[in-house]
Amino acid sequence: DIQMTQSPSSLSASVGDRVTITCGASQSVRSFLHWYQQKPGKAPKLLIYDAVTLESGVSSRFSGSGSGTDFTLTISGLQPDDFAIYYCQQSYSTPLTFGGGTKVETK
Amino acid sequence: EVQLVESGGGLVKPGGSLRLSCAVSGLSFRSVWMTWVRQAPGKGPEWVGRIKREIDGGTIDYAAPVKGRFTISRDDSKNTLHLQMNSLQTEDTALYYCTTGLQNGYSYWGQGTLVTVSS
Repeated sequence: DIQMTQSPSSLSASVGDRVTITCGASQSVRSFLHWYQQKPGKAPKLLIYDAVTLESGVSSRFSGSGSGTDFTLTISGLQPDDFAIYYCQQSYSTPLTFGGGTKVETK
Repeated sequence: EVQLVESGGGLVKPGGSLRLSCAVSGLSFRSVWMTWVRQAPGKGPEWVGRIKREIDGGTIDYAAPVKGRFTISRDDSKNTLHLQMNSLQTEDTALYYCTTGLQNGYSYWGQGTLVTVSS
């Protein structure tokens, strides 16, 4: 199974900050890497798919980069609505696996 | 508007069975791969398994913890996905989501149905 490791597990930030979350895969997943945002009591919401492609309707302050084993999600100009947990997920091979999550909290 | 609506969750004793369903509308059900994802209380999402569309062979893949106990099926005539869960264990307690997408990544999710396994 491919292990997905996110860092940090949590971070404190202020509105307007630039936030960077990293995700590492235990082996190459090429570009089959996706990012989700989850808020309490809600299903995960797809933000970025195929490492760099913004899902329709998602704010352009979210961006993704990387390929192979190292990936980054960047939030440029954190907004109040962005405080949530973020997960990466690989779909290169089964079982599809999620990272452990990064909780973005208010400073 | 795409809608996924899960049903069938509930409280069941260890060793028991439960059948979840997911009714899909707003997209061509037979054209998409369908997936079950679960999330235990306070934990991250966990992929349970998926079923490909018929033209891709209808292949089904499962996560190791559920293989041999859970069965995924689909009824394209009723736009419905099922998850038959047997030999349930306390570790199977979770919110179960059905999900799908039109490209890589899961764009569409249901609201989830809660399965609680407890004596």
